Amino acid sequence: KNEVEQSPQNLTAQEGEFITINCSYSVGISALHWLQQHPGGGIVSLFMLSSGKKKHGRLIATINIQEKHSSLHITASHPRDSAVYICAVGGGADGLTFGKGTHLIIQP
Amino acid sequence: EPEVTQTPSHQVTQMGQEVILRCVPISNHLYFYWYRQILGQKVEFLVSFYNNEISEKSEIFDDQFSVERPDGSNFTLKIRSTKLEDSAMYFCASRFDRNNEQFFGPGTRLTVL
Repeated sequence: KNEVEQSPQNLTAQEGEFITINCSYSVGISALHWLQQHPGGGIVSLFMLSSGKKKHGRLIATINIQEKHSSLHITASHPRDSAVYICAVGGGADGLTFGKGTHLIIQP
Repeated sequence: EPEVTQTPSHQVTQMGQEVILRCVPISNHLYFYWYRQILGQKVEFLVSFYNNEISEKSEIFDDQFSVERPDGSNFTLKIRSTKLEDSAMYFCASRFDRNNEQFFGPGTRLTVL
């Protein structure tokens, strides 16, 4: 069974700061997902990656398969980035195993 | 843009009652999932469904739970006899194939009294 650990659990930063959220997992995977959950509860997929690096706007996700580690970066953070960021692993038809999430607050 | 929809948004029921949570996945998607999130806790996998059968289920998904795709559009989760600890947000998700991201519905908040 895969264990997914995220750090930090909580992060408060000022607008404009560079944000890094880390995720590690215990068992080799075929894909890792970064998700965003807003206070209303809805979950949005940000990235699905199995190697290397992906970029979408101000968001960058990287993964190191050998080290079983992934990072999510937010450049030029903005208050609207405030949300819970969740790392999840899984592949194929299987369901995802989720981390506990990182509560991010960006202050103006 | 296509989206996963779920109904109802909030369901209140008495302990021991049966509930059916409904989901309409994105129309050309082939893989379907149910997850739950107890308040303040992480999201947990319940069951995955492909080719009209369950492909994987978690320890949580016991005999009280069942899933069905009764027609070409709906995907339902039934809880036969609800317990207080079934109170949670239930998310449906779908994906086109094994190599694509999952799209999540807005969730159904189930409250068991």
